[in-house]
Amino acid sequence: EDQVTQSPEALRLQEGESSSLNCSYTVSGLRGLFWYRQDPGKGPEFLFTLYSAGEEKEKERLKATITKKESFLHITAPKPEDSATYLCAVQADGNKLVFGAGTILRVKS
Amino acid sequence: KAGVTQTPRYLIKTRGQQVTLSCSPISGHRSVSWYQQTPGQGLQFLFEYFSETQRNKGNFPGRFSGRQFSNSRSEMNVSTLELGDSALYLCASSRTANTGELFFGEGSRLTVL
Repeated sequence: EDQVTQSPEALRLQEGESSSLNCSYTVSGLRGLFWYRQDPGKGPEFLFTLYSAGEEKEKERLKATITKKESFLHITAPKPEDSATYLCAVQADGNKLVFGAGTILRVKS
Repeated sequence: KAGVTQTPRYLIKTRGQQVTLSCSPISGHRSVSWYQQTPGQGLQFLFEYFSETQRNKGNFPGRFSGRQFSNSRSEMNVSTLELGDSALYLCASSRTANTGELFFGEGSRLTVL
């Protein structure tokens, strides 16, 4: 069964304090790994797609990387507006997305 | 460009009733997926429609059903509501089927009493 585990469950950072979020996955036939951001009361917002080990994607203060077993979302010098829940999802054979429980990030100024 | 629109945003029902939720995808998007989000289970896939055909279905009972119209708008229906059906129901659209790059609406918050 396809599984996605995200850690930590919650993370508190000071503004400017860089850190990483982890997404461990077990899937047969990975077709893609996806990162989303979800603000309270909103639907998830797509951030990145990663397809194979070694691939990296960047957007502003965010950088996503992937190995054969896990993906990381690196946040460099975060700002309060980066506070949100970050969700990781995998797409395997059958094509449906399997989401992790998410990491709640809070950045304090 | 208008995003994904879901209606109603909030609704309260009682056990045993049924509910229909509506989703209008982004213009030009032909695929619509539905997800259930709860604090305990997170985001779980319900089903995906593309060109009026159900392409994929999650592990939910038959009380959960959906359909897609020729204009790509979609509806999902839950019959014989149970307390455990209380959740945020999210609709997502994409240009093609079988992609993980989805555009989500803000969801319909269902409370079952």
